[in-house]
Amino acid sequence: GQQVMQIPQYQHVQEGEDFTTYCNSSTTLSNIQWYKQRPGGHPVFLIQLVKSGEVKKQKRLTFQFGEAKKNSSLHITATQTTDVGTYFCAGLYGLNFVFGPGTRLSVLP
Amino acid sequence: DTAVSQTPKYLVTQMGNDKSIKCEQNLGHDTMYWYKQDSKKFLKIMFSYNNKELIINETVPNRFSPKSPDKAHLNLHINSLELGDSAVYFCASSQGGGAATDTQYFGPGTRLTVL
Repeated sequence: GQQVMQIPQYQHVQEGEDFTTYCNSSTTLSNIQWYKQRPGGHPVFLIQLVKSGEVKKQKRLTFQFGEAKKNSSLHITATQTTDVGTYFCAGLYGLNFVFGPGTRLSVLP
Repeated sequence: DTAVSQTPKYLVTQMGNDKSIKCEQNLGHDTMYWYKQDSKKFLKIMFSYNNKELIINETVPNRFSPKSPDKAHLNLHINSLELGDSAVYFCASSQGGGAATDTQYFGPGTRLTVL
């Protein structure tokens, strides 16, 4: 079946450092979504990317969709303690969103 | 106002019991989902309903039976609970039919513990 991989599984950074998580699919995606889940919370939608090579920014967050629509990345500039949580990508295969395993981000003050 | 609500928030029960989790959304969305998140945080879709009709039914034991009395509600009934059913179950909803490109709004989750 379709698989979405994410790396790294865990990332510990010092506050102020940058952070990047990568999402890879074995097959071409129709689109990709990113979600953030705070500890003890529920996934919250961040953004959706549809076009090949698309780049979107939300304040300190930059999202990228690969040219082949098989990979994506989320980059956070100058992390803050409020960025702590698990970041999931979710790829659309037909009607079905398949979530990656997530990258758990810890930010040390 | 809570957009997607689930009850109960916590559920602790014995193996072999039958239990239900309820989900309601007040967003006027047409599509609702159930996800299972295990202890390793993997989020796996279980079911998806569009306007009360089942559109996605992943490989889930038939002990799990979703029911959608109307498009604002999607309940999950689990028969003969097993230890491996322990997880957090999230309900979600999205606007359009088939969930093609829609944002999913998640409920707060129900933490099920089977003893």
